[in-house]
Amino acid sequence: AAGVIQSPRHLIKEKRETATLKCYPIPRHDTVYWYQQGPGQDPQFLISFYEKMQSDKGSIPDRFSAQQFSDYHSELNMSSLELGDSALYFCASRGSSGNTIYFGEGSWLTVV
Amino acid sequence: AQRVTQPEKLLSVFKGAPVELKCNYSYSGSPELFWYVQYSRQRLQLLLRHISRESIKGFTADLNKGETSFHLKKPFAQEEDSAMYYCALSSSGYSTLTFGKGTMLLVSP
Repeated sequence: AAGVIQSPRHLIKEKRETATLKCYPIPRHDTVYWYQQGPGQDPQFLISFYEKMQSDKGSIPDRFSAQQFSDYHSELNMSSLELGDSALYFCASRGSSGNTIYFGEGSWLTVV
Repeated sequence: AQRVTQPEKLLSVFKGAPVELKCNYSYSGSPELFWYVQYSRQRLQLLLRHISRESIKGFTADLNKGETSFHLKKPFAQEEDSAMYYCALSSSGYSTLTFGKGTMLLVSP
């Protein structure tokens, strides 16, 4: 079965650069979530979208933005990167008929 | 506010021993509870959800509303069970998941 696809798998950026992470939800899933998991930390909710509209907002810094497109894929844009942004970024999706959230493999971001 | 507490950061047991990973939650309504497992910083995989009352890989979890707990249990641990386990809560509908801090389970031969 198709899963949540995230791209890229690994990304290395320098401080103050920008980065974009992409997420392709499971087909027919209309809700996308973004989570950030720092080293040794539990996943922290950043932001979510339902039907291309922002549905909930967590601890997402102002330097970050995200959107969901007409094909339901989502992108997380991160600017003015800081060392503390180094983390594993998970995308997850949920369908309208289910209450289970499925996670992607994550995108490793390292800021140097 | 909703909160999930996993009191143990690390649980180390021998193969074949029983395992119980504790999870307590605070939420004023009727929550949906989940257990996710993460192997070696891979993706978070759904292990159990309370509404389905199923057993996956020998693990079970029962929602105790009186004690606001959703402990994960397995009668005989296996080495391949070694992983990070996260208890998570969703308030309802399409709301997000709130995770506990996680418990690392190490099963030794």
